[in-house]
Amino acid sequence: DAGVIQSPRHEVTEMGQEVTLRCKPISGHNSLFWYRQTMMRGLELLIYFNNNVPIDDSGMPEDRFSAKMPNASFSTLKIQPSEPRDSAVYFCASSLGGGDTEAFFGQGTRLTVV
Amino acid sequence: SQKIEQNSEALNIQEGKTATLTCNYTNYSPAYLQWYRQDPGRGPVFLLLIRENEKEKRKERLKVTFDTTLKQSLFHITASQPADSATYLCRAGNMLTFGGGTRLMVKP
Repeated sequence: DAGVIQSPRHEVTEMGQEVTLRCKPISGHNSLFWYRQTMMRGLELLIYFNNNVPIDDSGMPEDRFSAKMPNASFSTLKIQPSEPRDSAVYFCASSLGGGDTEAFFGQGTRLTVV
Repeated sequence: SQKIEQNSEALNIQEGKTATLTCNYTNYSPAYLQWYRQDPGRGPVFLLLIRENEKEKRKERLKVTFDTTLKQSLFHITASQPADSATYLCRAGNMLTFGGGTRLMVKP
């Protein structure tokens, strides 16, 4: 398996534009996580899906952020409209079980909002 | 509020010595803790998991302890090598939250 695949690897966009980040989890994994990493705040959990259903979205910063998992092999994180403070590295991770199983992370998407 | 904290200062040690990193939690009783390694420009990689009923877990040169009285987990790397230089993160069970990470630098 190629591991968790995220796209794009880098994204530069202007403030106010819509940004969509994509994630393909490892086949057979039933949990998917979106994290955001910055120097100031570290690695923050944004949302956690189990069997394609959002279980915990308390980390989603505000209404500008939305995440979907239409099927077991694909998830998106959308920011609209984007703001400079959204600049960060966004990681997607998947695991075979719940939070107590090993999470496999993608390479991340580095988002820069200018 | 529930918190999971790691020493934000970098840890510099000499090759061959034992590195010890700390993960503390407050207002919370995780059923397990995980430790990850993160290299620059890459996603975290899982190393070890320890459950609340386990006092110690080992894997090669790595050892993790879990003290529910002190609300603390210690992560040890014995016979450290320059290749061990990275940021190490702990992740608390149930909350799925990561600590801020500790950067380890092993000097030859």
